[in-house]
Amino acid sequence: KNQVEQSPQSLIILEGKNCTLQCNYTVSPFSNLRWYKQDTGRGPVSLTIMTFSENTKSNGRYTATLDADTKQSSLHITASQLSDSASYICVVSVLSGGYNKLIFGAGTRLAVHP
Amino acid sequence: SQTIHQWPATLVQPVGSPLSLECTVEGTSNPNLYWYRQAAGRGLQLLFYSVGIGQISSEVPQNLSASRPQDRQFILSSKKLLLSDSGFYLCAWSVRGFANTEAFFGQGTRLTVV
Repeated sequence: KNQVEQSPQSLIILEGKNCTLQCNYTVSPFSNLRWYKQDTGRGPVSLTIMTFSENTKSNGRYTATLDADTKQSSLHITASQLSDSASYICVVSVLSGGYNKLIFGAGTRLAVHP
Repeated sequence: SQTIHQWPATLVQPVGSPLSLECTVEGTSNPNLYWYRQAAGRGLQLLFYSVGIGQISSEVPQNLSASRPQDRQFILSSKKLLLSDSGFYLCAWSVRGFANTEAFFGQGTRLTVV
């Protein structure tokens, strides 16, 4: 069964601190892995997308890693800001029937406090 | 540039009433279109996807239906809403035929069935 599990479910950190969010997946056949940021009541916005051959990808203060052997990914946020407060969703893509079937994790809710 | 519009942003409907949510995409042609539902604290669940006009595939059996009357228009409907239909509905699009392209989401519709 295709599944994406994220940890922790929620996280509180102080402004300026770093944090790392985890994602484990059991998906086959794997196409790519994405991290999205979702503000409350809004649609998800893409942060990174990585294919099987990519180990790391950065987008500003966000750095995603992918270990295709262990089927794990992480999202590292550096020097957190209040605006980083949101849900971070790990999404694994399976190419199925001519379209990207996206398997969503439940997300990690991050709260950055001053 | 491409944009996706989804409306309404919020909706409160009585049980047994009909539903129509609309999504349109601008700035692209022949997109793949998707409807997702997000329950509180859960990951996004794919409801329907479409690879072309009049071509609708359903991922899960439910009280909802979808239609694609035009290339860039995707409609989510119900004849009689249930309490369990409450949730956050998201429309999304992606470029057809490419596995590693981005999926872009609308701002979502918060539906409350009372």
